[in-house]
Amino acid sequence: EVQLVESGGGLVQPGGSLRLSCAASGFTFSNYAMSWVRQAPGKGLEWVSAISGSGGNTYYADSVKGRFTISRDNSKNTLYLQMHSLRAEDTAVYYCAKARMGTTFAFEIWGQGTMVTVSS
Amino acid sequence: QSVLTQPPSVSGAPGQRVTISCTGSSSNMGAGYDVHWYQQLPGTAPKLLIYSNNNRPSGAPDRFSGSKSGTSASLAITGLQAEDEADYYCQSYDSSLSGSVFGGGTKLTVL
Repeated sequence: EVQLVESGGGLVQPGGSLRLSCAASGFTFSNYAMSWVRQAPGKGLEWVSAISGSGGNTYYADSVKGRFTISRDNSKNTLYLQMHSLRAEDTAVYYCAKARMGTTFAFEIWGQGTMVTVSS
Repeated sequence: QSVLTQPPSVSGAPGQRVTISCTGSSSNMGAGYDVHWYQQLPGTAPKLLIYSNNNRPSGAPDRFSGSKSGTSASLAITGLQAEDEADYYCQSYDSSLSGSVFGGGTKLTVL
């Protein structure tokens, strides 16, 4: 069974840092692009960042560029999102998502999400 | 303000047909980039419903269909059922932003 399980969310103060992880199973992880998508409470979906299967190409939304870093460890089947200089507006459920083969942004599998709360 | 514009809400009675529009621009759908559609049931993660404009992944009911023309796309739902009540999002790639963009979402109410 294809599965994505996020972890690492929690409460952090403004200006703080947090690293999210997404453990993948049930597919050949290195063959697929992966993304992080977030959803603020009561709001819509916002794409955050994407990474190619090899890890050689990364993409970021303007709202997080320079503060967040996406990476992956294909030997551990794990996707990461390192978040720095966190702001209140980064408060959201963060989902990791697996792209369909041959695409970067058609997200066919989603994790259950991990909540990040930025507050003092 | 989302790059892709969707109506905030639509509604229909069971058995009816409803459509949800998604309007973009020359830097996303108008540039030929594909549009994808997601369904998000209350309290759950989104689920891919339509990919690459008009394709259904395995498991997606054939009551759902997608189309795209120029800078706009539509999701059509026929034979509306109570379990279709959810939020629906369109998504594409935007070349001016060099990244993916979502519509603001449409809440479907089954009357």
